[in-house]
Amino acid sequence: SYVLTQPPSVSVAPGQTARITCGGNNFGSKSAHWYQQKPGQAPVLVVYDDSDRPSGIPERFSGSNSGNTATLTISRVDAGDEADYYCQVWDTSSDHPGVFGGGTKLTVL
Amino acid sequence: QVQLHESGPGLVRSSETLSLTCTVSGFSISRGYFWGWIRQPPGKGLEWLGIFSHTGSTYLSPSLKSRLTISVDTSRNQFSLKLSSVTAADTAVYYCARVPAVTHYFDYWGQGTLVTVSS
Repeated sequence: SYVLTQPPSVSVAPGQTARITCGGNNFGSKSAHWYQQKPGQAPVLVVYDDSDRPSGIPERFSGSNSGNTATLTISRVDAGDEADYYCQVWDTSSDHPGVFGGGTKLTVL
Repeated sequence: QVQLHESGPGLVRSSETLSLTCTVSGFSISRGYFWGWIRQPPGKGLEWLGIFSHTGSTYLSPSLKSRLTISVDTSRNQFSLKLSSVTAADTAVYYCARVPAVTHYFDYWGQGTLVTVSS
């Protein structure tokens, strides 16, 4: 089955830019989706189809996907962005079409 | 506004069947989207379980396929999950979600329900 690899943790100072990566074989040929999950809450979709934002998600959240890596970028990070972030893919060529990455804990210093 | 709500027993005995229902409000299950289940063991990451459409297309996690059944009741705007022969490894928060077709992400989620498997 398709495997998505995320760094376990990323740390960033307030006001700076956080970049969270998600690696997968030829990931750029598929669509990447990103979720934010705060403690005790359900995940929230923040980016879909590589770079689209759902209604209500700030423009500070953006995404890109090329080669083997998708990236979620959060600009002007604030304490409210501290959360776990998960990438996800849909791969119909796999016997396991729906896959999540292992998640990245974003810490705001 | 689309809302999803999971319901079912919070405690299931080992080797028995876990049954959960997701009730959808604000949107008809028959309107051309997929619907799905995700779970998260305590302190761990998200696990994709399966998705289905009301027309009958179903995709299930290969590792759970032999134990997992997803069904739909369009008259009640609900869908259900049944996981048989559960073990402690099935202890998790279970989420239901709506799934736009084509690229199959999860755009609306329920709040989740914790199911504990006891021995």
